[in-house]
Amino acid sequence: QVHLVESGGGLVKPGGSLRLSCVASGFVFSDYNMTWVRQAPGKGLEWISDISHSSSARFFADSVKGRFNISRDNGKNSMYLQMNRLRVEDTAVYYCVRETTAMDVWGQGTTVSVSS
Amino acid sequence: EIVMTQSPVSLSVSPGERATLSCRASQSLSSSLAWYQQKPGQAPRLLIYGASTRATGIPARFSGSGSGTEFTLTISSLQSEDCAVYYCQQYSRWPRTFGQGTKVEIK
Repeated sequence: QVHLVESGGGLVKPGGSLRLSCVASGFVFSDYNMTWVRQAPGKGLEWISDISHSSSARFFADSVKGRFNISRDNGKNSMYLQMNRLRVEDTAVYYCVRETTAMDVWGQGTTVSVSS
Repeated sequence: EIVMTQSPVSLSVSPGERATLSCRASQSLSSSLAWYQQKPGQAPRLLIYGASTRATGIPARFSGSGSGTEFTLTISSLQSEDCAVYYCQQYSRWPRTFGQGTKVEIK
């Protein structure tokens, strides 16, 4: 069965850092592009970042460009989101998503809270 | 950036009736449009991709249509379990963008 499991969320002060992880199972991870999507409390969905299957291409939303970095380790079936210089407005549930044409498999999300 | 605009913001439909949700893109997408369903406390679920292709396991009462800049999601006979927020999303260009969502409720 195809699964994505996120971890690494938590409470952090503004200006701090967190590293989110996503572990995949049930499919050949190295064949797929992967995505991070977030959802602020009571709000809609916001695409954050994409990484191609080989890590050769990475894309970022303007809201996180220069502060967040996406990476993956195909040998560990894992993807990561390094979040630096966190802001209050980064508070959200962060979803790890598999991307084929559309976003076809979603994890259950990990919660990031940025507050002083 | 491609702006996605959904209408209406919310929709109340009687059980068994049809629900029609709209999504408009600020630029042509061809057919690079997906629809997602999100129930409270759950992750989104892919319903439709390529504007009109149902994802695996999605009931036939869900259908998508449109191309270019105008798209529609139709639920032909609303069931109680269809109460959710529905989002459209374009994957024609980066940055990927979502509509603001349409909340579907049972009347």
